[in-house]
Amino acid sequence: GAVVSQHPSWVICKSGTSVKIECRSLDFQATTMFWYRQFPKQSLMLMATSNEGSKATYEQGVEKDKFLINHASLTLSTLTVTSAHPEDSSFYICSALLGGSNYGYTFGSGTRLTVV
Amino acid sequence: AQSVTQLDSHVSVSEGTPVLLRCNYSSSYSPSLFWYVQHPNKGLQLLLKYTSAATLVKGINGFEAEFKKSETSFHLTKPSAHMSDAAEYFCVVSGTDKLIFGTGTRLQVFP
Repeated sequence: GAVVSQHPSWVICKSGTSVKIECRSLDFQATTMFWYRQFPKQSLMLMATSNEGSKATYEQGVEKDKFLINHASLTLSTLTVTSAHPEDSSFYICSALLGGSNYGYTFGSGTRLTVV
Repeated sequence: AQSVTQLDSHVSVSEGTPVLLRCNYSSSYSPSLFWYVQHPNKGLQLLLKYTSAATLVKGINGFEAEFKKSETSFHLTKPSAHMSDAAEYFCVVSGTDKLIFGTGTRLQVFP
């Protein structure tokens, strides 16, 4: 089936540094990918939608200059948390839209970011 | 606009007993509905989906859900719970350009 590989699975960084999270579609082309943030024991919050080759669409309240999303190819989307602070610590999950007869959404395994 | 409500934040069952996780939806058109399961610190795994075909949808690991338009419900069931079913479950409706998540139901399974 369609698999999205997300890396790293966890990362610890110092305040003020930047962290990049990658999501790769392994056996299909992901025209549209989504980035979510999940706080402990809460549901997923959509941060942004990215379409290959164009600028990401950010949800209200999400700082686009802080959470940089790049979707330069049909198999790779990245989320960079710039100048990270402890309040950015969270679980980040990517998702790709599947089209055609396999309509649905497949999710990466998530990245646990801890900013110290 | 689409929305989804998961009626129980926590459900506890004994191993071997039935599981019922409740979900109601609101949609201005015929929706696509999904159930996903999330184990701790993991991504989401699709259990099953409804996309206007058969109203009784069978998924993986013995789960199934029935789409009831008259009740605007899409409850998830399993005849016999297993310890490995303990996880967070999300009912999700597909909006015009994104998914809309329920708040989740934590399923506990006791031996």
